[in-house]
Amino acid sequence: EAAVTQSPRNKVAVTGGKVTLSCNQTNNHNNMYWYRQDTGHGLRLIHYSYGAGSTEKGDIPDGYKASRPSQENFSLILELATPSQTSVYFCASGEGTGGWEQYFGPGTRLTVL
Amino acid sequence: SQLAEENLWALSVHEGESVTVNCSYKTSITALQWYRQKSGEGPAQLILIRSNEREKRNGRLRATLDTSSQSSSLSITATRCEDTAVYFCVSYQGGRALIFGTGTTVSVSP
Repeated sequence: EAAVTQSPRNKVAVTGGKVTLSCNQTNNHNNMYWYRQDTGHGLRLIHYSYGAGSTEKGDIPDGYKASRPSQENFSLILELATPSQTSVYFCASGEGTGGWEQYFGPGTRLTVL
Repeated sequence: SQLAEENLWALSVHEGESVTVNCSYKTSITALQWYRQKSGEGPAQLILIRSNEREKRNGRLRATLDTSSQSSSLSITATRCEDTAVYFCVSYQGGRALIFGTGTTVSVSP
């Protein structure tokens, strides 16, 4: 069974603080993705990675950094969190040239006060 | 930008009834996927239908694809309360990632 886990599951941060969201996958997939989900917008791609050491910008990368130190781990970093980054964040992994099927984690609910 | 979009925000049915979610997409596609997201969970793929396929089944689920009208549908027969979820049609943007629409909320009541 494919497994993608995220930590923390819930996070409250202060404006201007640094936030790191972590994702781990045991699928041995090359591709990993970070999305955010807001009401009325579906899921929007923030950053993605094709393998350890690589990160690519998605559709809404501003204010976010990503890090892929290993095949299994992919982090999303908010250096200076803002209230507009309050959202639910999902990590996913996938295989193949486009990751036909993506396996999603349970999500992290982030509130920036 | 959303390449595929569901046509309705929400649908409500009673257990045992059938429900159909419709989707339209804007550009030529290699494949279209249907995902389901239950409350508090991440999305999970239900069906992938390729551009050369017209219909695909998975248990009580049936997806259709009409490339001439650039539309797709997902039908669920004999619905159950646990089918309550948001359903997304998702297009594949070659070499990169999935593009999600805003989803259709399907509510199944006893």
